[in-house]
Amino acid sequence: SQQGEEDPQALSIQEGENATMNCSYKTSINNLQWYRQNSGRGLVHLILIRSNEREKHSGRLRVTLDTSKKSSSLLITASRAADTASYFCATVPSSNTGKLIFGQGTTLQVKP
Amino acid sequence: NAGVTQTPKFQVLKTGQSMTLQCAQDMNHNSMYWYRQDPGMGLRLIYYSASEGTTDKGEVPNGYNVSRLNKREFSLRLESAAPSQTSVYFCASRRVGSDTEAFFGQGTRLTVV
Repeated sequence: SQQGEEDPQALSIQEGENATMNCSYKTSINNLQWYRQNSGRGLVHLILIRSNEREKHSGRLRVTLDTSKKSSSLLITASRAADTASYFCATVPSSNTGKLIFGQGTTLQVKP
Repeated sequence: NAGVTQTPKFQVLKTGQSMTLQCAQDMNHNSMYWYRQDPGMGLRLIYYSASEGTTDKGEVPNGYNVSRLNKREFSLRLESAAPSQTSVYFCASRRVGSDTEAFFGQGTRLTVV
């Protein structure tokens, strides 16, 4: 089974609103990463948070990590139509740092 | 700097045919990966190569084989294609070390009829 599960599967908001996506995982991790995929394209890395970090910011992105609950959230503030894409979390297991396991993803639509 | 290059971009196969998907990276990364992406399933790991000379099964390895030809190249082979292998395939690479991001190719859209 996959390491990461994401919630919601789909999210539709208006431009200017905030978007929050959640990710849960099953085993101990070294880090958790978020990626973005525009329709029909490859994935692009957004942000990485280490297992000993609780929160990280990058521009309009804010990521939190709760290792006790094995969960993470990605917040996109002041969303823009250009943020419309699919977002995936991915984990590097502590037991095997050569692996990179992805969740099912959240499809975000930002309406202008 | 090309990054991760996958070939071909599109392919249609008949059931039972074989083919090899090619992937090459020019970033001197040690680790390389093959994923498949199906609607609603996210990306599922087929095989990965943590370093040159090693390959390991991922979540869905059945029906596939891989070869880490050298540090740059990691190929995925379908020996006898089945309709269930219709998918979009992505190759990725990552520098050795756990706190590193992956870089992805643009994908291969494979249809098996």
